Amino acid sequence: NAGVTQTPKFRILKIGQSMTLQCAQDMNHNYMYWYRQDPGMGLKLIYYSVGAGITDKGEVPNGYNVSRSTTEDFPLRLELAAPSQTSVYFCATRYGRAQYFGPGTRLTVL
Amino acid sequence: ELKVEQNPLFLSMQEGKNYTIYCNYSTTSDRLYWYRQDPGKSLESLFVLLSNGAVKQEGRLMASLDTKARLSTLHITAAVHDLSATYFCAVDKAGNQFYFGTGTSLTVIP
Repeated sequence: NAGVTQTPKFRILKIGQSMTLQCAQDMNHNYMYWYRQDPGMGLKLIYYSVGAGITDKGEVPNGYNVSRSTTEDFPLRLELAAPSQTSVYFCATRYGRAQYFGPGTRLTVL
Repeated sequence: ELKVEQNPLFLSMQEGKNYTIYCNYSTTSDRLYWYRQDPGKSLESLFVLLSNGAVKQEGRLMASLDTKARLSTLHITAAVHDLSATYFCAVDKAGNQFYFGTGTSLTVIP
């Protein structure tokens, strides 16, 4: 059981570039989440999904897009990277009341 | 806007001492979560408090919830170095939107 996996671990982007952060889980959990964590801060919810084909915005969705075509995968897309998107991104699943977090992707936009 | 406030933000304590971290939140919620994050790592779930008056204990950590006061506490008993980490509380809105506090960075000094 790999749990929640995220790729890449680190990435440096130039302003205006696009990229997709990958998140995969093998626990068959319906609920999945994307968070960002800025230095010295708590996590902020970007998007979440309650099942394949269903997604909704969180607290800070601007500049991001998501899709959920399968239960296992929940990619996060940045279309036009901006310095304000420099952060650590965590993917998580939820089963019952427990959340399970991936190891994170550290993204720097220069 | 839902706010979750923790205090203190930074806590330096000697081994063997007791201390309490406080978490206040601004909206009605019967569910309160505590997480631990080690430097450069992901989040680990510590406690899920599901109702008013709930108390949970694991080792030297005890968490409680007062939904009327919108307050949760994380009490540390006889601190040891291994407890050094950042602790986050979080509440959820409508079961899916999670809001995190800014975290309490705990350092336990020998």
